[in-house]
Amino acid sequence: DTGVSQDPRHKITKRGQNVTFRCDPISEHNRLYWYRQTLGQGPEFLTYFQNEAQLEKSRLLSDRFSAERPKGSFSTLEIQRTEQGDSAMYLCASSPGTGDYNEQFFGPGTRLTVL
Amino acid sequence: KNQVEQSPQSLIILEGKNCTLQCNYTVSPFSNLRWYKQDTGRGPVSLTIMTFSENTKSNGRYTATLDADTKQSSLHITASQLSDSASYICVAKAAGNKLTFGGGTRVLVKP
Repeated sequence: DTGVSQDPRHKITKRGQNVTFRCDPISEHNRLYWYRQTLGQGPEFLTYFQNEAQLEKSRLLSDRFSAERPKGSFSTLEIQRTEQGDSAMYLCASSPGTGDYNEQFFGPGTRLTVL
Repeated sequence: KNQVEQSPQSLIILEGKNCTLQCNYTVSPFSNLRWYKQDTGRGPVSLTIMTFSENTKSNGRYTATLDADTKQSSLHITASQLSDSASYICVAKAAGNKLTFGGGTRVLVKP
């Protein structure tokens, strides 16, 4: 399967714990995006990378959130001191270029539940 | 502020029937309009991408329309199948900017 993959698919954690999610984009896609999606809502933009450079962060990305893409390939999203409000689906997408018409290909998501 | 609104929030249709989903958007400067299908627990999958110069685009039984003057789009599903049960998300892109997602329309196709 050469699509976008995410790991884990599901994560249950207790409030206050740290969690880390991984995204492997489609090979050679230089743009990588993170989104958060709560039940019944559309995805909300969190941040994106052009190769290894993080170019934009949403105001939704509090100081407890950090994302990296160290070698311009896979990316990690870490949430420190999780809160119940962090419970959501975290989606990763990749895109082959910077043009306005480039399609974003989404992974299956990581479902986070904070107890 | 860029925003996308969809209606209805949800609908139920019988297998074999047609339905139309609506989308109103406000993004500036407008670049393109996308429709995604999202199965429960999965990531969205692209159905169509339309620029301001395209009025209609089809992908199998899915047909999207775009009126850039009124800033409205619709997605028509023909001869619905059980596998069409999903959320359909309208997404507008401003030139040089990130995607703006609507809240989606949840479609349930019943036998």
